[in-house]
Amino acid sequence: DSGVTQTPKHLITATGQRVTLRCSPRSGDLSVYWYQQSLDQGLQFLIQYYNGEERAKGNILERFSAQQFPDLHSELNLSSLELGDSALYFCASSPSRQETQYFGPGTRLLVL
Amino acid sequence: GEDVEQSLFLSVREGDSSVINCTYTDSSSTYLYWYKQEPGAGLQLLTYIFSNMDMKQDQRLTVLLNKKDKHLSLRIADTQTGDSAIYFCAESIRNQGGKLIFGQGTELSVKP
Repeated sequence: DSGVTQTPKHLITATGQRVTLRCSPRSGDLSVYWYQQSLDQGLQFLIQYYNGEERAKGNILERFSAQQFPDLHSELNLSSLELGDSALYFCASSPSRQETQYFGPGTRLLVL
Repeated sequence: GEDVEQSLFLSVREGDSSVINCTYTDSSSTYLYWYKQEPGAGLQLLTYIFSNMDMKQDQRLTVLLNKKDKHLSLRIADTQTGDSAIYFCAESIRNQGGKLIFGQGTELSVKP
C-alpha cells in the first residue's frame, strides 16, 4: 500500500458525460500528479500540482481539468467523454516538486 | 526529445536471473526509476537511481546505468513466480517539474 488513495476504483459512463476522479496523496506529500494508462498510448503524464498550484502540464486534453485543494487532495475532471477516454487513470504523490513518486491503485474508466 | 524504450516481453525460468533493459534519449535525466505493475494493480516503486550513479543494489535487485549509451537495466536475482508482472522504466527530466516519461513496459513471465 503506497498510502495514495483514489476513488472510485471503477467508473462506467456514457459518451458525452462528465466524471470526477478523486485522489488523496500520502500524508505530508505536497505534489500530486495525474497519469493516463491506455493500451495504445501507454502511460502518459497529464498534469502536476504542487501545494495547490499547477506546476507542469503534459498531454492533457482541453476537455480535462484538474485542481488541488487546500487539504492537498486533488480531483481530475473529464468532460464530454469519448470512447477513447477509456483508460486507467493514476494519481501519484511526492513530498516536493521533483521527487520519487508513489502511485495510487488507479481508477478504471470505461466510456460506453 | 523524450523517449524511453523497452523490449515488450521476457520469459525466464524460476531461480534464474532476469535482466530487463531500457534505453532513453534525454541526457538531462535526473532520476531513473523502475516500477512494477501486477495485473489489475497500480504501479509499485521498486527502485531508482540518480543519474550520476553507475549502479545500485537493493536485495535481489541490481540497477545498472550506462550514461554514455543512455542504457538502464534491472537485474532480478533468483527470479520467483511472484515476480511475474509488467516492469516499467521511467525517467524524470531536469526543469520539467516532476513529470515522469515511461517506457512501454516489459512483461516478465516466470515459468516454474
